[in-house]
Amino acid sequence: AQSVAQPEDQVNVAEGNPLTVKCTYSVSGNPYLFWYVQYPNRGLQFLLKYITGDNLVKGSYGFEAEFNKSQTSFHLKKPSALVSDSALYFCAVRDLYNFNKFYFGSGTKLNVKP
Amino acid sequence: DAGVIQSPRHEVTEMGQEVTLRCKPISGHNSLFWYRQTMMRGLELLIYFNNNVPIDDSGMPEDRFSAKMPNASFSTLKIQPSEPRDSAVYFCASISGLAGLTDTQYFGPGTRLTVL
Repeated sequence: AQSVAQPEDQVNVAEGNPLTVKCTYSVSGNPYLFWYVQYPNRGLQFLLKYITGDNLVKGSYGFEAEFNKSQTSFHLKKPSALVSDSALYFCAVRDLYNFNKFYFGSGTKLNVKP
Repeated sequence: DAGVIQSPRHEVTEMGQEVTLRCKPISGHNSLFWYRQTMMRGLELLIYFNNNVPIDDSGMPEDRFSAKMPNASFSTLKIQPSEPRDSAVYFCASISGLAGLTDTQYFGPGTRLTVL
């Protein structure tokens, strides 16, 4: 079975500092990994994905994620956080048998303080 | 493209009443998903459809919940009778299914349901 885990319920960072939101995965085959962001009172929005290729994936709003096969991780990163990045972030993995189905993590609330 | 459309955006009802949530997926998308989000349980997949056919409803909490997709452009999630513990934000999402592994799910804005 496929699953992802987000070990931190909340991450606090000062504006201008780098941020990392952690995600680890458990997949029996090749992982297809995604990050989504949810702003207050909004639906989830796609940020970036890893399918194959470069381990560093670049996405929207200056975010990037690093795929690490040996550590089974797919951490979301940004070199310099903005207050407007404050939101709920979800990691997700694609089902290998039904490609349209995704398994989402529990979410991590990112707080960026001015 | 208008994106995934959900209605109503907010619903307040009393315990025991029937509630119907509606979703219009993105045109051309062949899979549709209903999720529920609460503080306690996070984001839960309730049911999903491929080509209007329900594939997996194992996430539906109980018989009070039912979902239909009569055509490719419309789906409903019904709760009858509703209970206070059903209070949550319900999201609909769709995916093309034609772009292979590079495809992603697109979410609607959600319906915030409050059952008093």
